[in-house]
Amino acid sequence: QVQLQESGPGLVKPSETLSLTCTVSGGSMTSYYWSWIRQPPGKGLEWIGYIYYSGSTDYNPSLKSRVTISVDTSKNQFSLNLSSVTAADTAVYYCARHESRLSGFDPWGQGTLVTVSS
Amino acid sequence: EIVLTQSPGTLSLSPGERATLSCRASQSVSSIYLAWYQHKPGQAPRLLIYAASSRATGIPDRFSGSGSGTDFTLTISRLEPEDFAVYYCQQYGNSPRTFGQGTKVEIK
Repeated sequence: QVQLQESGPGLVKPSETLSLTCTVSGGSMTSYYWSWIRQPPGKGLEWIGYIYYSGSTDYNPSLKSRVTISVDTSKNQFSLNLSSVTAADTAVYYCARHESRLSGFDPWGQGTLVTVSS
Repeated sequence: EIVLTQSPGTLSLSPGERATLSCRASQSVSSIYLAWYQHKPGQAPRLLIYAASSRATGIPDRFSGSGSGTDFTLTISRLEPEDFAVYYCQQYGNSPRTFGQGTKVEIK
């Protein structure tokens, strides 16, 4: 059974870069798509972007200028970098798998709270 | 960007009752690209329904999805105690993938 676990700093200063890693266990990353999603406190879910195991990406236009998603299949991990963060980037960040470019997300990680504050 | 609007915002029901949740899209969504998720506090969201009406692996048959075009529905036929949670719809046919704002199903 595939499981995903997010990790990274829980506190990031404004203007710095938020960096998170999602570790995949119980299965291979090959042939799957891997997404990042976030949920600001009290708000809904926002898709950030995905990476295919081979490295191709698609990002939400609202974040595209600040987002980089990368993958390391040898470590069974993929990562999120979000630059120039502000308080508006405070959120629970989730990673998730999808079987194709056009499919639902299953499974998800439990999420990690990242707070942007000085 | 396709905007998904869920209603109601909160549904107060008792165990055993039927829950009907609505998801309306700002433009037509192919039904094969519409999903529903269940989310409980502190847990990973769980895929319930994909392609508008197909249950994901291990999902009980009291959960059903329907709809097409711009109007989609998630129905829980008889609420069990573990079903009280927040439910989100999502479209994944157009980029960016978008979610509704959620419907909270709470115990009355």
